[in-house]
Amino acid sequence: NAGVTQTPKFRILKIGQSMTLQCTQDMNHNYMYWYRQDPGMGLKLIYYSVGAGITDKGEVPNGYNVSRSTTEDFPLRLELAAPSQTSVYFCASSYSNSGGAGELFFGEGSRLTVL
Amino acid sequence: KQEVTQIPAALSVPEGENLVLNCSFTDSAIYNLQWFRQDPGKGLTSLLLIQSSQREQTSGRLNASLDKSSGRSTLYIAASQPGDSATYLCAVGTDSWGKLQFGAGTQVVVTP
Repeated sequence: NAGVTQTPKFRILKIGQSMTLQCTQDMNHNYMYWYRQDPGMGLKLIYYSVGAGITDKGEVPNGYNVSRSTTEDFPLRLELAAPSQTSVYFCASSYSNSGGAGELFFGEGSRLTVL
Repeated sequence: KQEVTQIPAALSVPEGENLVLNCSFTDSAIYNLQWFRQDPGKGLTSLLLIQSSQREQTSGRLNASLDKSSGRSTLYIAASQPGDSATYLCAVGTDSWGKLQFGAGTQVVVTP
């Protein structure tokens, strides 16, 4: 099982450029999430999705967009990159049952630098 | 807004000692609480998930307790090993959709 796969692992962008971080999971999880982690800080939720076609904002959504056309894929798009978006981005997924979400499974992260 | 705090930020212990990691949160109305391990340059690995109705959860050498009324969780790691060196993060589940509020983590070094 590959679990949660993120690409690319590293990327350098210039200010104003756009890019998409890819995330795929093979566990048939309904719930998926994008977090960012800044040095010395806890992870902050950017966007999340509870199923194909359903997405919602998290704590820090400005400057980002997401889509969820399939259960497996949850790409994160950065429009007009700014230095404040320099961070490590983590995608995660979770199963769901009658009690709600379970434990989260994380990808290995995508390190983005905006210069 | 839920605030999650982990103190200390860093901890060093000799091999064989028991590790005690603390997590505090400001709002007792939580859905669940998870402990994660993060190795340098890697993603997070879930260690234990405690539902809001539970008081503790155990897995091997790991035991996590939850006291909602006091807003605290403690992760115990028995007989620490150098391989336990990592950053440990506590995260509070705020609803049934799995959204988590994270602490900043405690960096642990276990010296041989």
